[in-house]
Amino acid sequence: DTGVSQDPRHKITKRGQNVTFRCDPISEHNRLYWYRQTLGQGPEFLTYFQNEAQLEKSRLLSDRFSAERPKGSFSTLEIQRTEQGDSAMYLCASVSTHEQYFGPGTRLTVT
Amino acid sequence: ELKVEQNPLFLSMQEGKNYTIYCNYSTTSDRLYWYRQDPGKSLESLFVLLSNGAVKQEGRLMASLDTKARLSTLHITAAVHDLSATYFCAVNDMRFGAGTRLTVKP
Repeated sequence: DTGVSQDPRHKITKRGQNVTFRCDPISEHNRLYWYRQTLGQGPEFLTYFQNEAQLEKSRLLSDRFSAERPKGSFSTLEIQRTEQGDSAMYLCASVSTHEQYFGPGTRLTVT
Repeated sequence: ELKVEQNPLFLSMQEGKNYTIYCNYSTTSDRLYWYRQDPGKSLESLFVLLSNGAVKQEGRLMASLDTKARLSTLHITAAVHDLSATYFCAVNDMRFGAGTRLTVKP
């Protein structure tokens, strides 16, 4: 257990539905990252926060994706109007200067 | 645009042998991370290298960083089956390479 939790761990949804994932990082860590990973690929950067500020968002990310980190604590990642291509593992990472830990991931299946 | 390249992408090795995985990156980076991922699992942090010439070792794995060459290596000594996994490097703001899928055979 890394101390980073993600909820839900698995999500099956129908195409066109909206989904929201949550990440609870380690409380002392000020940076939080979201990634998407498909089978056989490395983690693809989506966005990151320093405290509550969203500092960068991948240009590959469509407008259907949005993320928030209110009060610099937990973060949510929302995908609107899901497509089959969104099926993947969604990972968050909790990062401080000398530590970085990943959560267990949320596996999304879009049918 | 930052590029992180790992090689080899696939590595099959015999138990007891030594080998090195390479991670090259295209822009300056003040830190480099190595991770391990088992199938269906999340990523496990192995090393954080924070300065030029940094070397860290844990068990049969040793990582080093040459910031001038923009190169990090992960050296495996006397491989055992339990090391079979995918190994990723990441630089700067946690941007990842494609990974090296390591299989250690008896």
